[in-house]
Amino acid sequence: DQQVKQNSPSLSVQEGRISILNCDYTNSMFDYFLWYKKYPAEGPTFLISISSIKDKNEDGRFTVFLNKSAKHLSLHIVPSQPGDSAVYFCAARLRDDKIIFGKGTRLHILP
Amino acid sequence: KAGVTQTPRYLIKTRGQQVTLSCSPISGHRSVSWYQQTPGQGLQFLFEYFSETQRNKGNFPGRFSGRQFSNSRSEMNVSTLELGDSALYLCASTTGGIITEAFFGQGTRLTVV
Repeated sequence: DQQVKQNSPSLSVQEGRISILNCDYTNSMFDYFLWYKKYPAEGPTFLISISSIKDKNEDGRFTVFLNKSAKHLSLHIVPSQPGDSAVYFCAARLRDDKIIFGKGTRLHILP
Repeated sequence: KAGVTQTPRYLIKTRGQQVTLSCSPISGHRSVSWYQQTPGQGLQFLFEYFSETQRNKGNFPGRFSGRQFSNSRSEMNVSTLELGDSALYLCASTTGGIITEAFFGQGTRLTVV
């Protein structure tokens, strides 16, 4: 039973354009949603988060949108840069601090 | 401050053996979580320890176990290794409080042959 779903295993975007990574969840008890970025041979690094009581959080080129009624969140990267090529994990936190991750989406930024 | 340290970085074991992985969290962090990453399954939660007690557990067989010491360092043990246990094992530390982000180590790449 996958509570956090990233249905696109990979995504290719032209440099300078917008990258949109999507994530769906099933558990209404999640209170925080997080995005992590992972390069090969490194551990994931935290990127941005959003509380379940908000619908948008912005940090520089990264914006996360939350649609609670649809149980959907998305990460927007504008403009996309070559260094953004990585695997992006969507994650959700339960109130007991357990964090559930999606399977990840590999983002390729094309020159 | 120092990050999360996992040792060893790479490990090769044969089927049937057992293995112990180590994780030293960020100083002051009391919660350590373990994850298994495989190409097909993404990051799967194994268990979480907080103040030496297992607080959460994922859906892994009993061959996977862990513990946490008084200094918050954690170990994960896998007994009777199977080929399918080959994966990157990641540990993450958090304060266990309000802060939401988890800081990950570089992982231990385990190969079972």
